[in-house]
Amino acid sequence: DADVTQTPRNRITKTGKRIMLECSQTKGHDRMYWYRQDPGLGLRLIYYSFDVKDINKGEISDGYSVSRQAQAKFSLSLESAIPNQTALYFCATSDLVAGAGAFFGQGTRLTVV
Amino acid sequence: GENVEQHPSTLSVQEGDSAVIKCTYSDSASNYFPWYKQELGKRPQLIIDIRSNVGEKKDQRIAVTLNKTAKHFSLHITETQPEDSAVYFCAASKGGGGADGLTFGKGTHLIIQP
Repeated sequence: DADVTQTPRNRITKTGKRIMLECSQTKGHDRMYWYRQDPGLGLRLIYYSFDVKDINKGEISDGYSVSRQAQAKFSLSLESAIPNQTALYFCATSDLVAGAGAFFGQGTRLTVV
Repeated sequence: GENVEQHPSTLSVQEGDSAVIKCTYSDSASNYFPWYKQELGKRPQLIIDIRSNVGEKKDQRIAVTLNKTAKHFSLHITETQPEDSAVYFCAASKGGGGADGLTFGKGTHLIIQP
């Protein structure tokens, strides 16, 4: 089945390290998103992309950067990780034509120590 | 920007009873309102959505209502079952079908008591 795949699924890293979270999709969707989930705070949008030439900041983009390497690949980078970036990160996709909301990947649990 | 408030944060109901979760939004330009269910350790999954040109939508035991004037929308689950236990999130977006990204509420932990 078509899906959204995130790697790694779990990661522990040290403060100050650079880390990249990767997302790939086989759903054929044009739009891709990165969300962050913290307990009691819901999900918050970090960045989104309409295609490989288009990147947009979301609600909480500070401290993060992204790259859309291809229609099917969207990576999230933390240039210098800090402990309050410890969270569950979700990649999501949506199809502009179908307009049926977002389909989420399995999530990456990131811990910064 | 958009702000979505969701209540209650925790809701406990007896199996077979109905559950209602309510959300309000701040941006009158928002036109797409999905609801997601997230089971423990799983990804959020879309269960139902509604667009601003519709007042109500049903899918079996689940229904969503939208009041654009008051800027609030609600999720109704009837005849609740144990498998309905999960965290539910409402969201709002101005883009078509959420294309510009979703603003989420903080979630409601629904507990179905046997």
